[in-house]
Amino acid sequence: NAGVTQTPKFRVLKTGQSMTLLCAQDMNHEYMYWYRQDPGMGLRLIHYSVGEGTTAKGEVPDGYNVSRLKKQNFLLGLESAAPSQTSVYFCASRNLQGSFHEQYFGPGTRLTVT
Amino acid sequence: AQSVAQPEDQVNVAEGNPLTVKCTYSVSGNPYLFWYVQYPNRGLQFLLKYITGDNLVKGSYGFEAEFNKSQTSFHLKKPSALVSDSALYFCAATWGDKIIFGKGTRLHILP
Repeated sequence: NAGVTQTPKFRVLKTGQSMTLLCAQDMNHEYMYWYRQDPGMGLRLIHYSVGEGTTAKGEVPDGYNVSRLKKQNFLLGLESAAPSQTSVYFCASRNLQGSFHEQYFGPGTRLTVT
Repeated sequence: AQSVAQPEDQVNVAEGNPLTVKCTYSVSGNPYLFWYVQYPNRGLQFLLKYITGDNLVKGSYGFEAEFNKSQTSFHLKKPSALVSDSALYFCAATWGDKIIFGKGTRLHILP
């Protein structure tokens, strides 16, 4: 039981390049989330999904797209990377409906855009 | 606007002393409240949560938190700090499909 995994762990992009971050969970969780963590800003929600085939915008969705084609995977895409997207990205998942359930986090992806 | 505030960027405590990490929230309705801990180069780990009932909730690693509805606070506490408690701590509030995290408090336990 690996929990929540993220691929890749590190990435350096040039401005304008594109990439996809992959999040996978093996806990059969319905809800999945993408956050970015910046110094002094805490965690900010980018997009989330309440089930396979569904996605919704969070607090800071601009410049990102997501897809949830399979229940266990949640992909975060950057179509044209900008230096402002330099950050650490975390994926998380939680079980069932009811926001009283805690979230399980992946180890993070450190992205640098030059 | 809904918000979660952690007023201290850093808290320094001597090993063996009690510690408190503060959290206040401004969320309409009755949110659920959480504490998470982040060790260097790791994802967040769940510590404890308040759903309903007893205002003092106990969690992992000897941590507890006190919910105060009138002060809209959910402070994290531990009776005796360990050096290994040094980490970044986040308070969070959830309601419906929404979640807000505080900006985090770095806890530094001095040997």
